[in-house]
Amino acid sequence: DADVTQTPRNRITKTGKRIMLECSQTKGHDRMYWYRQDPGLGLRLIYYSFDVKDINKGEISDGYSVSRQAQAKFSLSLESAIPNQTALYFCATGGYTSGSTDTQYFGPGTRLTVL
Amino acid sequence: GENVEQHPSTLSVQEGDSAVIKCTYSDSASNYFPWYKQELGKRPQLIIDIRSNVGEKKDQRIAVTLNKTAKHFSLHITETQPEDSAVYFCAASNTGRRALTFGSGTRLQVQP
Repeated sequence: DADVTQTPRNRITKTGKRIMLECSQTKGHDRMYWYRQDPGLGLRLIYYSFDVKDINKGEISDGYSVSRQAQAKFSLSLESAIPNQTALYFCATGGYTSGSTDTQYFGPGTRLTVL
Repeated sequence: GENVEQHPSTLSVQEGDSAVIKCTYSDSASNYFPWYKQELGKRPQLIIDIRSNVGEKKDQRIAVTLNKTAKHFSLHITETQPEDSAVYFCAASNTGRRALTFGSGTRLQVQP
């Protein structure tokens, strides 16, 4: 689904470095989400935003921060990366234009490795 | 908060057989239950969903059932094909909380 894009797609970094993952969408959705996927643990919610002025913590927000620069852009930052933040990160969007405010559409993912 | 448990973690079936994946949820206020399919190296994609005012929903070879009293819902895939091989995730949410809680996933392998 090219309507939701993530950059970079792969990133290798070192412990202590600041990392930003970016998500953009052209679906016109108002809701955006960041998830982390680890083997055997499914998808865990990091942060979510329902509009530019609305930011909410998910179940695993410690060590992460987000910025909703515009309706179409939602960035995830790791201020000081650590090895246990090595994971696959997905951005997702949803909103009234998808037919249901609950339905979410995922980006292609960013594979992050912290050495 | 919501907790979603999913079983089994792995499932192997012969082509043409049926597959059933089960999930339970803890929050009685949850009213939306989607299922996502994730093929290797790809993003999760919605395959079917159900709301709490419906007990069953079908879409060709896949169906989802919901038992609100027992707080569990299931995905049924009939006449499985090799291309059904993937990881399947269930999830739950309620309009008030506005965010999905996912199960841990089931790796389905369909043997030709």
